[in-house]
Amino acid sequence: DTGVSQDPRHKITKRGQNVTFRCDPISEHNRLYWYRQTLGQGPEFLTYFQNEAQLEKSRLLSDRFSAERPKGSFSTLEIQRTEQGDSAMYLCASSMGLALTDTQYFGPGTRLTVL
Amino acid sequence: LAKTTQPISMDSYEGQEVNITCSHNNIATNDYITWYQQFPSQGPRFIIQGYKTKVTNEVASLFIPADRKSSTLSLPRVSLSDTAVYYCLVGAFNDYKLSFGAGTTVTVRA
Repeated sequence: DTGVSQDPRHKITKRGQNVTFRCDPISEHNRLYWYRQTLGQGPEFLTYFQNEAQLEKSRLLSDRFSAERPKGSFSTLEIQRTEQGDSAMYLCASSMGLALTDTQYFGPGTRLTVL
Repeated sequence: LAKTTQPISMDSYEGQEVNITCSHNNIATNDYITWYQQFPSQGPRFIIQGYKTKVTNEVASLFIPADRKSSTLSLPRVSLSDTAVYYCLVGAFNDYKLSFGAGTTVTVRA
């Protein structure tokens, strides 16, 4: 059973550097989501793709953040000019998008530390 | 979005049943209830989902009273590996944005 995978699992970077994370969803899932989670809090929605189309972006996603999902397969989340406040766990989830109650399956996350 | 309120933490012992109650007084007719479990340094894992009455799967049971203003997640005979954060979410059908609160940290002791 191949679940959602994310790479890298951990990333340490210096303030001002750019970072890129990758998410590979479950193969037959056409919806893909990005969330951010800080210590002691639940995940917060960042953005959502239906196939290759990015349909919504949260206000949390500043202009330093960009996400893509070319060809509706894997997705990348890039953060430019990282700040210490960007330190968090970045979670990717995917779902089939067919049912009214569309269960989202999460990956293990990428933990970002900005020094 | 209907807000949820759940206890911050709960302690239990191995072999006991753990019941976590979530309040969602403003739940709408087209809202349903979902519970996720999260271990440290992992993504949330779907546990169970329901709209009304009782739902049971191999992991847990979900009890929803007729007024749907609350729900109770029941974990039978917990083990140490059930120590995790449990999130109660309320969302509308076809609403793709999951809204997580702070969750309930359940600690199971030997």
